[in-house]
Amino acid sequence: DGGITQSPKYLFRKEGQNVTLSCEQNLNHDAMYWYRQDPGQGLRLIYYSQIVNDFQKGDIAEGYSVSREKKESFPLTVTSAQKNPTAFYLCASSTPEGQDKNIQYFGAGTRLSVL
Amino acid sequence: GQQLNQSPQSMFIQEGEDVSMNCTSSSIFNTWLWYKQEPGEGPVLLIALYKAGELTSNGRLTAQFGITRKDSFLNISASIPSDVGIYFCAGRPFGGSNYKLTFGKGTLLTVNP
Repeated sequence: DGGITQSPKYLFRKEGQNVTLSCEQNLNHDAMYWYRQDPGQGLRLIYYSQIVNDFQKGDIAEGYSVSREKKESFPLTVTSAQKNPTAFYLCASSTPEGQDKNIQYFGAGTRLSVL
Repeated sequence: GQQLNQSPQSMFIQEGEDVSMNCTSSSIFNTWLWYKQEPGEGPVLLIALYKAGELTSNGRLTAQFGITRKDSFLNISASIPSDVGIYFCAGRPFGGSNYKLTFGKGTLLTVNP
């Protein structure tokens, strides 16, 4: 089945610790995204990548970092500089062509909490 | 940046009732998407709209791309308990990036059996 896999489902971070959230897709999509969701809020864009080895900051990139070394993978690192990391993190992907042009498809999310 | 006003913020209805929700923007959009998110899961696409005036159905769900291109509507007919969740609108502004969507804050739907 084609889709987007996020892991882990739940993650706990200690003070001063960096943690990495995994996102893998087998949809052959060029573009991938990371969003943060807080209760009662919409989705806020952290980073996005249009193509391998390229990525751009979204609206709330401070305290986060990403890499895009493979088309299938777009890991997000929440650094110790992010002072309020507790949230639900969503990964998405899209293609600029075809029937599903520009539709973003989402993974099941990772819930990050601070110990 | 761009903002979408989604209303209502929440709805509590009886099973069998019809539901309407909408999203509005101060600027023109050329794509409207409607997603449903269940607790602890990611949003799932319900309907995609690409043309002004377009009316598209997906089972009991019907969505419309407003004629002014500044709004979109989602209707759910004969609601059932499994319709519970948060419904998000999302859109791509005219002239905007192919890669960035603007999201509404969601409508929380509760269905009483």
